[in-house]
Amino acid sequence: EPEVTQTPSHQVTQMGQEVILRCVPISNHLYFYWYRQILGQKVEFLVSFYNNEISEKSEIFDDQFSVERPDGSNFTLKIRSTKLEDSAMYFCASRLGKGSYEQYFGPGTRLTVT
Amino acid sequence: AQTVTQSQPEMSVQEAETVTLSCTYDTSESDYYLFWYKQPPSRQMILVIRQEAYKQQNATENRFSVNFQKAAKSFSLKISDSQLGDAAMYFCAYRPTNFGNEKLTFGTGTRLTIIP
Repeated sequence: EPEVTQTPSHQVTQMGQEVILRCVPISNHLYFYWYRQILGQKVEFLVSFYNNEISEKSEIFDDQFSVERPDGSNFTLKIRSTKLEDSAMYFCASRLGKGSYEQYFGPGTRLTVT
Repeated sequence: AQTVTQSQPEMSVQEAETVTLSCTYDTSESDYYLFWYKQPPSRQMILVIRQEAYKQQNATENRFSVNFQKAAKSFSLKISDSQLGDAAMYFCAYRPTNFGNEKLTFGTGTRLTIIP
């Protein structure tokens, strides 16, 4: 069964560094999402992406964040200058299209900012 | 803004017994979707069951069923004949129906332990 994959599983970076988190959504899906979960807190929506543009973003998704679909398979989340409070589990999700309800989640990337 | 509340951070149940996980939500919308997601240890979240708010009939998927009380804004998950593989974190989630607003709003989760 097709799955959403994410790399790396764990990323450690120093404060102020740029990180790129990578996701490979399910191949025929059209809608893509990033969520994050700070340890002990709720899973929070960051951004949704459709037709090569952001369709919705949360107040968390400020100018430090960007998303890109550089080719037909990858979907990336870039954090330009990481802060300690960016330490979290980041989940990618994808959805087939209009009329489909289910968002399929990846296993997550644990980002640790030191 | 929509909020989702799961008041039980942890639950446990004897194998083969029935357990109910609670979820309440707050919204001013009349139409929306509600979901239960399961996250086994070190695995991705998978959808267990969904409910469309316009449907009065409670959704069921094999051993999983919901009790959807729209007026009370309550959406509980019942797991019958609990199995060891049901051990996981369970998240309740809400999503509006309008196109362009597709974000899931999650509760804090309930960790379910199955006692052999």
